[in-house]
Amino acid sequence: EIVLTQSPGTLSLSPGERATLSCRASQSVSSSYLAWYQQKPGQAPRLLIYGASSRATGIPDRVSGSGSGTDFILTISSLEPEDFAVYYCQQYDSSPYTFGQGTKLEIK
Amino acid sequence: QLQLQESGPGLVKPSETLSLTCTVSGGSISSSSYYWGWIRQPPGKGLEWIGSIYHSGSTYYNPSLKSRVTISVDTSKNQFSLKLSSVTAADTAVYYCARGGCLWSGECRNWFDPWGQGTLVTVSS
Repeated sequence: EIVLTQSPGTLSLSPGERATLSCRASQSVSSSYLAWYQQKPGQAPRLLIYGASSRATGIPDRVSGSGSGTDFILTISSLEPEDFAVYYCQQYDSSPYTFGQGTKLEIK
Repeated sequence: QLQLQESGPGLVKPSETLSLTCTVSGGSISSSSYYWGWIRQPPGKGLEWIGSIYHSGSTYYNPSLKSRVTISVDTSKNQFSLKLSSVTAADTAVYYCARGGCLWSGECRNWFDPWGQGTLVTVSS
């Protein structure tokens, strides 16, 4: 089973700042089969990124994903108030498809 | 616009079987090569993939739950279902259904979009 470890656990930033979230896999994720989701309280997760770097439909270009192998990054270039939420990475390379434990992005 | 909606009992007794249905609207569950998945989230915790069913009917389960899980599809009703047997309090969670994603090339995989709104299932006597 591929274990995904996200860091930091909580990130405190102000609107307008740049957010960098990390997701590290316990073994290589082939073909960059990695996705990122945003979840707000009481809501279902929302797909942001698939294939490590491809934005889902309707996701603004201030959100970007990068990385390969075991190290992946989600970057939000300039935080808007609606970006404060919990973010999860997920690998869909090999079953069982696993999620990271989440990074909470909170307003400083 | 594709929409998914979970339905089923919100309260299940320990040792019984949890049964949920996901109704798909805005598209046919059998028209393309998608996976259809179930994911759960215990209160205040992270996400766990339960299993997926391919449009052909092939199923894929999380080994940690495999002995208790059955996922099936009813194309006539445009629905797919989850059954989880012998539940305990540890199975208390919000259960989500979701569609897997496909690339323009036609390659389909188990990243999930869109998701249903989720339904809370509590296991308690």
